[in-house]
Amino acid sequence: EVQLVESGGGLVQPGGSLRLSCAASGFTFSSYAMSWVRQAPGKGLEWVSVISGSGSSTYYADSVKGRFTISRDNFKNTLYLQMNSLRAEDTAVYYCAKTASRGAATWGYYFDYWGQGTLVTVSS
Amino acid sequence: QSVLTQPPSVSGAPGQRVTISCTGSSSNIGAGYDVHWYQQLPGTAPELLIYGNSDRPSGVPDRFSGSKSGTSASLAITGLQAEDEADYYCQSYDSSLSGWVFGGGTKLTVL
Repeated sequence: EVQLVESGGGLVQPGGSLRLSCAASGFTFSSYAMSWVRQAPGKGLEWVSVISGSGSSTYYADSVKGRFTISRDNFKNTLYLQMNSLRAEDTAVYYCAKTASRGAATWGYYFDYWGQGTLVTVSS
Repeated sequence: QSVLTQPPSVSGAPGQRVTISCTGSSSNIGAGYDVHWYQQLPGTAPELLIYGNSDRPSGVPDRFSGSKSGTSASLAITGLQAEDEADYYCQSYDSSLSGWVFGGGTKLTVL
């Protein structure tokens, strides 16, 4: 059974930093891309970042580029999101998601399993 | 303003059929990129409902179906049930943004 458990959320001041973690189990972690998707309170879903199975390729939404860094540890089966220079508009529930594709093309990525999410609140 | 446009809400009575549209452009759905659909029940994480335009993961009832044509896609739900009341999101890839995009979401109410 695929399990994804996020942690590390909390209250942080504007300009501060936070690191989210996502512990994965139930599948061969290193064989799959992994993503972060966020949802602001009462709003829709927004893709944040994706990392390839090996960790060699990373992609970011324009809204977080230069401030957030996605990484993974395939020995610990853990995904990370380092968030710096946080803004009020980064307040959201952050979900980690196992990322699949029907073929080899990254454009075909979709999110087949999701964690329960961790809330990040940026406020003074 | 989402790149993929969905109606904010749809409704239907138990047993009826409803459809949810997802309208994109030539840089996403119209470019041939796959569309995927997610269901988010109240207070829970999203779950994959349809992938690759029309494929269902194991465990998803065949009451749910997806289609794509031109710059749009649709999710159809037949035999509407009370437990289908949820938010539904479409998702694709956008070449102009070089990233993965979601629709704004549609709230389904079962009357």
